[in-house]
Amino acid sequence: GESVGLHLPTLSVQEGDNSIINCAYSNSASDYFIWYKQESGKGPQFIIDIRSNMDKRQGQRVTVLLNKTVKHLSLQIAATQPGDSAVYFCAENRDSGGGADGLTFGKGTHLIIQP
Amino acid sequence: EPEVTQTPSHQVTQMGQEVILRCVPISNHLYFYWYRQILGQKVEFLVSFYNNEISEKSEIFDDQFSVERPDGSNFTLKIRSTKLEDSAMYFCAKRGGREGYTFGSGTRLTVV
Repeated sequence: GESVGLHLPTLSVQEGDNSIINCAYSNSASDYFIWYKQESGKGPQFIIDIRSNMDKRQGQRVTVLLNKTVKHLSLQIAATQPGDSAVYFCAENRDSGGGADGLTFGKGTHLIIQP
Repeated sequence: EPEVTQTPSHQVTQMGQEVILRCVPISNHLYFYWYRQILGQKVEFLVSFYNNEISEKSEIFDDQFSVERPDGSNFTLKIRSTKLEDSAMYFCAKRGGREGYTFGSGTRLTVV
């Protein structure tokens, strides 16, 4: 089975609105989580990360929330712009594993920003 | 200058042929990775490489695959006898720095 998954395959929002992308994970040993943005034909681009000793982390226009009790991760994007249109993946890892373990990715949510 | 450069950007090969995908992870990082993404699907871990040895590998990384860092700079993924189902985007990644894992722009492999 999958260690990490997403609730919605596609999310459509109006430009300027806020968006929330959700992710569920099942590996309790995971202690490091990352959100990636992937535009068509490109590699995953780092957005924001969070470690399991935190429940919230903010970046520029983005916030990641981690709920370890229910193994849930979310990405909030404020004031969405056309350039935010992409596929968003959550990924998890055992950071305490020293780096040998690869990231486990979720299936991705396609965020569509409508004008 | 990108931190992880992959060549070629697109490779077309006939089934049964060998392919070598190349990655130049600029800067001195110890952990390198290969990932695969079949069209429309999620990114999948293939292998991690540490200190010039394979550290971890997934079920996908069977005997047809091998990795090398032949000259201390380039990092290669070889597929010995390609199959149609090997068609995918292949991403090289490195670990380290503020962003944890940095991915290259990928090589699109098409097996015909």
